[in-house]
Amino acid sequence: QKEVEQDPGPLSVPEGAIVSLNCTYSNSAFQYFMWYRQYSRKGPELLMYTYSSGNKEDGRFTAQVDKSSKYISLFIRDSQPSDSATYLCAMSKDTGGFKTIFGAGTRLFVKA
Amino acid sequence: DAGITQSPRYKITETGRQVTLMCHQTWSHSYMFWYRQDLGHGLRLIYYSAAADITDKGEVPDGYVVSRSKTENFPLTLESATRSQTSVYFCASSESGQPQHFGDGTRLSIL
Repeated sequence: QKEVEQDPGPLSVPEGAIVSLNCTYSNSAFQYFMWYRQYSRKGPELLMYTYSSGNKEDGRFTAQVDKSSKYISLFIRDSQPSDSATYLCAMSKDTGGFKTIFGAGTRLFVKA
Repeated sequence: DAGITQSPRYKITETGRQVTLMCHQTWSHSYMFWYRQDLGHGLRLIYYSAAADITDKGEVPDGYVVSRSKTENFPLTLESATRSQTSVYFCASSESGQPQHFGDGTRLSIL
């Protein structure tokens, strides 16, 4: 079993829809949780970064962490065609070196 | 511009050849990382470095060599390239306690 599981999709939604992206994990020691966005032929770009459980909002994006269920989510409100990308969840146990485990990524298509 | 730069962006080589991928960051981050990204596997850590002259193996280090003589540079060398090393390679950097920031990758094809 992988430490981090993420549905690869693809997920296709109409413009303006609310998108929900999710990851599950097995290691309860993870404390730092991140979402990266990756456009085609580009590197992953940090989108959201949270510590421990709870919610964090940044514009149209909301990250949720439920450590009791070992489940993290990224919500995108009012989705735009420019949101079409691969979204990678990522998590880490500690700050030392910040070694990070990545999900395989979910491909999202937002149709105009 | 500040950031992390990888070169070359694209490389085609033959099996058995030595190839070096370059990574340069201007943030003076302590930590640097090399990943490979393959369909179905996501990002897998090859090597990382906590500081100049300090490197350590990641999940898939076999067939790769790294060095870090200067804080800003972290080259990755494939000593004798194999077809299984065809991949997209990403370099990343971070400061302690902070998330990693990535370059735009090198797409490497080994024929």
